[in-house]
Amino acid sequence: RKEVEQDPGPFNVPEGATVAFNCTYSNSASQSFFWYRQDCRKEPKLLMSVYSSGNEDGRFTAQLNRASQYISLLIRDSKLSDSATYLCVVIPNTGGFKTIFGAGTRLFVKA
Amino acid sequence: SQTIHQWPATLVQPVGSPLSLECTVEGTSNPNLYWYRQAAGRGLQLLFYSVGIGQISSEVPQNLSASRPQDRQFILSSKKLLLSDSGFYLCAWSARRPVTEQFFGPGTRLTVL
Repeated sequence: RKEVEQDPGPFNVPEGATVAFNCTYSNSASQSFFWYRQDCRKEPKLLMSVYSSGNEDGRFTAQLNRASQYISLLIRDSKLSDSATYLCVVIPNTGGFKTIFGAGTRLFVKA
Repeated sequence: SQTIHQWPATLVQPVGSPLSLECTVEGTSNPNLYWYRQAAGRGLQLLFYSVGIGQISSEVPQNLSASRPQDRQFILSSKKLLLSDSGFYLCAWSARRPVTEQFFGPGTRLTVL
């Protein structure tokens, strides 16, 4: 089982739609979680952190479910500019310095 | 604020030639530094990470090496490039402790012909 798994997609949605991505992780002791966004041929950029209590930033909501070991990202009122690959990121609680990146979920928002 | 620089942005090299990619970070001290490679349409592969000057950990066996001659400088090298070394090379930094989110440089797109 991969340490972090994401549905690669692509998700094709119309403008204004609500879309949700899930990401599962295998290490139950993982301590920190993030969502990154990567545009085509660009570097990944931090989108938001995922807290135990959930986190909302405008149209974006991230949630953590420790019991089922997954995190989610919800995008409301999708914009054309939301088209990108969304990477799920987990920092294991192993005392080391590694960060585990998921392979990403492609999102296409169409007019 | 912190910034991270990488150069060159694009590089085309023949098979068997050497490689040197440089990454520098500004606005922070004692960062963790990372080198990743991303093949076309694929996820990030961690190549090396460093927690201090001269301290390098390698994640995968390969013909690449890394060095950290200064606190905020990280260099990726190869003596002889292979076709399979083509990809998007990304440098990143994170706070030393606790380990937090990583921030990426703009990347170097390497094509080996």
